[in-house]
Amino acid sequence: AQRVTQPEKLLSVFKGAPVELKCNYSYSGSPELFWYVQYSRQRLQLLLRHISRESIKGFTADLNKGETSFHLKKPFAQEEDSAMYYCALGGHNTDKLIFGTGTRLQVFP
Amino acid sequence: NAGVTQTPKFQVLKTGQSMTLQCAQDMNHEYMSWYRQDPGMGLRLIHYSVGAGITDQGEVPNGYNVSRSTTEDFPLRLLSAAPSQTSVYFCASSRTSGRQAYEQYFGPGTRLTVT
Repeated sequence: AQRVTQPEKLLSVFKGAPVELKCNYSYSGSPELFWYVQYSRQRLQLLLRHISRESIKGFTADLNKGETSFHLKKPFAQEEDSAMYYCALGGHNTDKLIFGTGTRLQVFP
Repeated sequence: NAGVTQTPKFQVLKTGQSMTLQCAQDMNHEYMSWYRQDPGMGLRLIHYSVGAGITDQGEVPNGYNVSRSTTEDFPLRLLSAAPSQTSVYFCASSRTSGRQAYEQYFGPGTRLTVT
C-alpha cells in the first residue's frame, strides 16, 4: 500500500532561518516522490519531484530510500515561502498519487 | 489553455440533496482524479480515472460516484449529501503511462458546505 507521513502540521521559523519539512513514505515498489505547494487562496502546484533533482525557489529534496524519506529543505527561509506543503507518493505500475496530511510553513519577518 | 476548471466555486447543500461537481481539462490528459481537502487530513483521493470509460476508487470513495464518458470531463456526483462531506474538493489531471505518476495539474477547488 502507498502511504505518506508528514509528522509536522505546523512549522514556524523566522526569515533567514533554515527550513526542513519532513516526509516519510511506505511503498513496496520503486517510489516517485513529489512536493506540492499551496499558497493562500491558490490552487496546488508542483514544487519539485525527485526525478528532476533540481532546486526550485531555493528548495531541494533528496530521496533517501534507506530511510524512506524525502525531506524538503531550504537554507534561508523567506516570508513568501509561507504556504501549505504536501508530500506526494506515486510509483511504478501505478498512476495514483497519494498525498500526505500537509505541513503549514509560517515564516515570520 | 484554461488548464483544469471546476464549477461551481462554492455550494451549500442540505442533508440528503444530490449534486454534481464539474471538472474539465483541455490538456488531453488521460489521468484525472478527485481529492477532498480537510483540515488535518490533507488531500485524500476519492476516485480516479486513467481514461475514458475507466474509473476506480481511491481512499475515500463512499458517498461519491464518478463517470468518464470523455477525455475532457470527469464529474463527481454526491448521491445524498451528508455533513461529513463538507470539504474543499479538488480535481486534478495528468498524462499517464500506466507505469508511473506524472505531475498533476489542479483545478481551483469547490468549497462545499452541507447543512
